[in-house]
Amino acid sequence: DILMTQSPDSLAVSLGERATINCKSSQSVLYSGNSKNYFGWYQQKPGQPPKLLIYWASNREPGVPDRFSGSGSGTDFTLTISSLQAEDVAVYYCQQYYSIPWTFGQGTKVEIK
Amino acid sequence: DVQVVESGGALVKPGGSLRLSCEVSGFTFSNAWMSWVRQPPGKGPEWVGRIKSKSVGETLEYAAPVKGRFTISRDDSKNTLYLQMDSLNTEDTGVYYCTTDSVVVFNGGAFDVWGQGTMVTVSS
Repeated sequence: DILMTQSPDSLAVSLGERATINCKSSQSVLYSGNSKNYFGWYQQKPGQPPKLLIYWASNREPGVPDRFSGSGSGTDFTLTISSLQAEDVAVYYCQQYYSIPWTFGQGTKVEIK
Repeated sequence: DVQVVESGGALVKPGGSLRLSCEVSGFTFSNAWMSWVRQPPGKGPEWVGRIKSKSVGETLEYAAPVKGRFTISRDDSKNTLYLQMDSLNTEDTGVYYCTTDSVVVFNGGAFDVWGQGTMVTVSS
C-alpha cells in the first residue's frame, strides 16, 4: 500500500496570510504513460463529506477559489492557500489514486491564528 | 443536480451484519465506477472498496481489512449501490460514504461526488 504522510498535523494562520500543507507518498504516483500525478487534495468541514479541491496534483476542481493551488510531482506535493479566509477553516487530506488501495493522508487541521 | 443518498446505518453488535444502500441521481449511474469510503470518528477517510461498471464486468476490489467480510453490489435499474457488511467488529465503526470519480470533470479517479454518509456503530 502507498502510505501518505502529511505535515504539519495542524497549523494556525492569520487571516489573509498563506497556509502551506505538505504531503509525501511512500512511492511515486506519477504515471509515465501520460505524465500525470494520480493525486488529489480534499477539504473537510465538520459534519460534511470531503470535498475535492485539486486533482492530478495541480488542477482545481470547478468552483474552487483560485487562492487554492496544488503543486509537486512524484512523491512530494504541496497545497497552498494563498490568502486564508475564515471559511477555509477545515481539515485537509491528500489522497493517491495511482494504485489500489486508494489511500489518504492523516489530515492537517487549519485554524485561524 | 447530482445527488447521492446513503442509508442503512445503525448500531449493531460485534459479529453482526448490516446492509447499506446508496441511491444516486443526476449522472449516468450505470457507467460509473462506484466506491465506498469510510471514516472512523476523528480519523481520516479510508477506502473500503469499488465496483466497476457492468460494461467492464462489474469487477470488485476491496481493502484488506474488509476483504471476505464486505460485499459491494449494484442495481443499475434502481441507480443504487449496496454494501453488505458481515462479521462486523468495533474497528468498522464510522461514517460510510458512497462516492465516485469524474462526474464533474474527467480526473482519472479522484472522488468528486460524495453523499452525506451514514453512521455505522459496532458496539456491544
